[in-house]
Amino acid sequence: GQQLNQSPQSMFIQEGEDVSMNCTSSSIFNTWLWYKQDPGEGPVLLIALYKAGELTSNGRLTAQFGITRKDSFLNISASIPSDVGIYFCAGRPSGTYKYIFGTGTRLKVLA
Amino acid sequence: SQTIHQWPATLVQPVGSPLSLECTVEGTSNPNLYWYRQAAGRGLQLLFYSVGIGQISSEVPQNLSASRPQDRQFILSSKKLLLSDSGFYLCAWSEGLERNTEAFFGQGTRLTVV
Repeated sequence: GQQLNQSPQSMFIQEGEDVSMNCTSSSIFNTWLWYKQDPGEGPVLLIALYKAGELTSNGRLTAQFGITRKDSFLNISASIPSDVGIYFCAGRPSGTYKYIFGTGTRLKVLA
Repeated sequence: SQTIHQWPATLVQPVGSPLSLECTVEGTSNPNLYWYRQAAGRGLQLLFYSVGIGQISSEVPQNLSASRPQDRQFILSSKKLLLSDSGFYLCAWSEGLERNTEAFFGQGTRLTVV
């Protein structure tokens, strides 16, 4: 099945550092979503983006919908230990009702 | 408010046995419904989605099938499980007619085929 290219795959960072991850697609999306998944649980929505160029924040998280509509990034500022988990991007291709997911970024925060 | 329920939480089934996982959504009408599978340490693979009762779109040829007998009920089934069917199965919903909308997930079912 189709998946988005998400990078990095994993990262170890020090507490207090900023984190950045991104997703790219070969096709145009009209929605970009960012989720966090804790072990054994379903993904939880963090940020939703609907317009090209849109920049949206949720606390320490900021995400942007790329101008080309083929990419998105997520930034986490001043990371804390509870930011540990797997972050997924998801996109909704134009003209469809389905959501395609990225391969995930596993974040580990060192106190 | 809307809620999504998925059960069972964990399931261990022998190879060749049938499967039925159920998902229900409350607090909304005519939702889009989705089944995803997640292999250990991997991303989410879309298996099926439905935009209405009896309407099922299959994304990946496989040993599984899906049905939507009622507006807010989505069932994932198999007649004979394979070892490769093991994984974490997630149900999700989104607003049916909305262009700009998010998908919300259930808690998942951990299926182990032995």
